[in-house]
Amino acid sequence: QVQLQESGPGLVKPSETLSLTCTVSGGSVISGSYYWSWIRQPPGKELEWIGSIYYSGSTNYNPSLMTRVTISVDTSKNQFSLKLSSVTAADTAVYYCARCSGWYLSPFDYWGQGTLVTVSS
Amino acid sequence: DIQMTQSPSTLSASVGDRVTITCRASQSISSWLAWYQQKPGKAPKILIYKASRLESGVPSRFTGSGSGTEFTLTISSLQPDDFATYYCQQYNSSPCSFGQGTKLEIK
Repeated sequence: QVQLQESGPGLVKPSETLSLTCTVSGGSVISGSYYWSWIRQPPGKELEWIGSIYYSGSTNYNPSLMTRVTISVDTSKNQFSLKLSSVTAADTAVYYCARCSGWYLSPFDYWGQGTLVTVSS
Repeated sequence: DIQMTQSPSTLSASVGDRVTITCRASQSISSWLAWYQQKPGKAPKILIYKASRLESGVPSRFTGSGSGTEFTLTISSLQPDDFATYYCQQYNSSPCSFGQGTKLEIK
């Protein structure tokens, strides 16, 4: 059974960079069959796809966040990571990592439990 | 970008009821639609993909239908575990996008 677990600071100051890591167990990020994604959900709001990465390092980002987002993969640790720069209060959200059931445009079949990141001074 | 609109936003129903949630896309997405169930404090769980295909392990009381721009999720006989928020997601074109959610409440 694939499991994903997010980790990282729960509080980030405005204008700084949010950094999260997702550790995958029960499966491998090197699997050629899947993309790995970050999705966020502001309190009481809908889900927003941030971006996805393939084990090769190929990435696809939401254009609304593209200028501030970097997703990377560390195959040796079976992890992938998210960096979001120049954060504001609007970036306060629960951040989920998830597996795409195929290429980056596919449903998300496994999710982490989510981690709340608050942007505040 | 494709906008996804769900209706209703809130739905009150009783155990045993049959309920339907609608999801409309701002342009055709063929059958590239998924439905998720989310409970408070938990991650979404996929129920249906490709508009009508049931994810493994999901009870058969959940049914998805539709194509193009209009889709429905039907729960044939509500169980206590079904009270949650439901989201549709289009994955026809990037960026993939979600509806605003339908909260299914106990009447």
